Amino acid sequence: GQQLNQSPQSMFIQEGEDVSMNCTSSSIFNTWLWYKQDPGEGPVLLIALYKAGELTSNGRLTAQFGITRKDSFLNISASIPSDVGIYFCAGLPRSNDYKLSFGAGTTVTVRA
Amino acid sequence: SAVISQKPSRDICQRGTSLTIQCQVDSQVTMMFWYRQQPGQSLTLIATANQGSEATYESGFVIDKFPISRPNLTFSTLTVSNMSPEDSSIYLCSVEEDTQYFGPGTRLTVL
Repeated sequence: GQQLNQSPQSMFIQEGEDVSMNCTSSSIFNTWLWYKQDPGEGPVLLIALYKAGELTSNGRLTAQFGITRKDSFLNISASIPSDVGIYFCAGLPRSNDYKLSFGAGTTVTVRA
Repeated sequence: SAVISQKPSRDICQRGTSLTIQCQVDSQVTMMFWYRQQPGQSLTLIATANQGSEATYESGFVIDKFPISRPNLTFSTLTVSNMSPEDSSIYLCSVEEDTQYFGPGTRLTVL
């Protein structure tokens, strides 16, 4: 699948901060997914989005499916140390397609 | 969601040898996939493991290098053949239920 444009590539968080990352595509997607990968682990699904404009929360995480269907963002509110890791966006261009396209990832680390 | 396990979790192998990675799911699933994640990179789909038939490989991946078996709806194997240091990666299996879920990965180092 095509590579999604994910930004920022990395970010430093301070405990309590709100952080945001986003993903864009040159073509339309029908599904947007956000995963988190901890060191030595496989990606864990955080949020799945299936409809343009959809805004979905999972605890302190909120993600939105862009109205143009070409973008999505993920917000983390009141960040805590265990939020560190690599966050990947992924998308499916068609509802009957199972081949995910992935972003390059956003590495979140704690600011010293 | 399905519980996915992989064996081995990690291995260090010599160049020229082969390693078979197992993926076990706790429920029957139609779609299973194998991904590669090179160091510091995102995930790349290797192939779709089809139950009872040959796997469907993505561009850049061939059956001779990455033979895949899918004998039933809960199990699949990926073999990395004739390994070189460039094959050092994390190999992940995933399954499609309502969406895609990933196993814990196999971290392979080739010396």
